Formats: sequence, structure tokens, C-alpha cells
Amino acid sequence: EDQVTQSPEALRLQEGESSSLNCSYTVSGLRGLFWYRQDPGKGPEFLFTLYSAGEEKEKERLKATLTKKESFLHITAPKPEDSATYLCAVLFQKLVFGTGTRLLVSP
Amino acid sequence: NAGVTQTPKFRVLKTGQSMTLLCAQDMNHEYMYWYRQDPGMGLRLIHYSVGEGTTAKGEVPDGYNVSRLKKQNFLLGLESAAPSQTSVYFCASRPTSASSYEQYFGPGTRLTVT
Repeated sequence: EDQVTQSPEALRLQEGESSSLNCSYTVSGLRGLFWYRQDPGKGPEFLFTLYSAGEEKEKERLKATLTKKESFLHITAPKPEDSATYLCAVLFQKLVFGTGTRLLVSP
Repeated sequence: NAGVTQTPKFRVLKTGQSMTLLCAQDMNHEYMYWYRQDPGMGLRLIHYSVGEGTTAKGEVPDGYNVSRLKKQNFLLGLESAAPSQTSVYFCASRPTSASSYEQYFGPGTRLTVT
């Protein structure tokens, strides 16, 4: 069965402490991988799309990368406003969402 | 542009009651989706539509019905609510472009069935 696994489930960082979130998948025929940010009580907000291994996308303090079996969301020098749940979703024949990583950045 | 809006934001139902959740988008998107989000689980697709007048089943369609009478609206109905349908419901839409699969989500409806 196609699966998407995100790790860690939760991550607490100090402001300025860089780290990475992982999204791994078991699938053949990847058509795209998506990262979303979800704030409490709100809907997911689209961040990035990655289509092929080696591809990278950046936005402010976030950088998403993709290999053949996983994607990383790198957060450089995070700020408290980066606190949120980050979801990844993988498109095979259908779109499958991971359960997310809850990120808390403390001042 | 308002993007994707959902009505209502919160609702409490008793077992067996019915209700309709409304989703509206002003981006002229062809594709629309209904998801549910439960603790410890990823977003799961209930039903979707690829255009006005069309609907199709997703991963967890049982107990739900949908209609897409107008391009901008996608309705999700619960005919006889059950406690297992307590969840947060999200609507999403996306354009038809073959090179663009990213979806745009509404703010969600929190439904509790007692």
C-alpha cells in the first residue's frame, strides 16, 4: 500500500536553531510532492511542489528538497511565527497526505 | 478574492440528524474536493468533482453525499449523522492545468456528532 510517513511527529526549536523535517514515501510512479503549512484552526496553506529527484524550492526561511524516496523541509534560523504543523502530500494515482510534523519555535 | 470559503465554521449535531456543508470558491477552479481530518490521521478524501455537474467517490465516501450544481459551489451532505463523523471537514479546489496539482483549502468546518 502506498504510504507517506512524516517525522518527527513534533519538534521544538529555539529561535534561530535550524533543523529539517522529513517526509518519506513508498510508491512507484511519483507525480509530485507537496508541502503545506497548517496553523491551528485553519486550513492547509500551500508552500511548495516538487516533481523530480534533485529538485529544490525555497521561500524565505524554508527550503524543500526531493530524493527518490523522501523529501526534506529545511528550516533555517526559524522564528516563532514559523510555528505550525507542516504537512506533506504525495501524488501517485491519488493524493496521499502524511500526518504532519508539529513545529514549535520558542523565542 | 475570498478564495475558498466554508459554511458553517462549527456545528453540533445529534445522532441521526442531517446537515449540509457549503463550500464556495471564486477562483474559477474546475476541481473541488471534500476532506476530513482526524487526529493522528492524514487528510482523507471523501468526494471530489472535476467540474460542474460531476461528482466522484474518494477514499471514505460512506455516509456522505455531494452535489456540484454550480461551478463555484460544492455541497457535502450528511443524511443521518453518526458519532464516527465527528471531524474537521475541509474543502479544497484547484485549477485544471495538467502541470499544477496544488490545492487551495478553505478554513474548515468543525463538526461534532453526539
